[in-house]
Amino acid sequence: AQSVSQHNHHVILSEAASLELGCNYSYGGTVNLFWYVQYPGQHLQLLLKYFSGDPLVKGIKGFEAEFIKSKFSFNLRKPSVQWSDTAEYFCAVRPSGSARQLTFGSGTQLTVLP
Amino acid sequence: SAVISQKPSRDICQRGTSLTIQCQVDSQVTMMFWYRQQPGQSLTLIATANQGSEATYESGFVIDKFPISRPNLTFSTLTVSNMSPEDSSIYLCSVVADGSYEQYFGPGTRLTVT
Repeated sequence: AQSVSQHNHHVILSEAASLELGCNYSYGGTVNLFWYVQYPGQHLQLLLKYFSGDPLVKGIKGFEAEFIKSKFSFNLRKPSVQWSDTAEYFCAVRPSGSARQLTFGSGTQLTVLP
Repeated sequence: SAVISQKPSRDICQRGTSLTIQCQVDSQVTMMFWYRQQPGQSLTLIATANQGSEATYESGFVIDKFPISRPNLTFSTLTVSNMSPEDSSIYLCSVVADGSYEQYFGPGTRLTVT
């Protein structure tokens, strides 16, 4: 079975600071990778995804993530955060070809100070 | 994309009672799931709701406690039976869009058991 680790439980940044949230997964085969965001009081939204191809994927709101296969990592980045990015961020993984087994990390709470 | 609605959005229930949560999708989807997000924790898959057959439950979840119906490709219900305070969670419906394989989540049902 696959597993996902998000090492940062709570990150606090000032506006305009750069962001990188770590995500590492454990699985022996090929995977699909996702980042979801949950703004306060709202439901989960898909931020970006990686299925195949270019390992650098761009998502909504200026976020991007890079898949490094050798490191089993899929870190989320944003060059300049805004107060409105305050939210909880979840990394998730599922085996390629399986629409069922989406496994989530424990989440990272990002607080951006104005 | 898929738009998912859930009813009720929240409820407070007494120990020993049951609650049925409804999930409605705006398009036909093959794969539909139910997740649980306990306070301060990540999402855990409860089961896959199969249309026309019994749901497939993950380890630790059983049909007697979480019966699921899936009468068609746009609707499902999850019942939380004989509730205890440990069942206090957010319950989320999720679907995988046919073709794109992107996974979407409903707004969740916040359940508090007293």
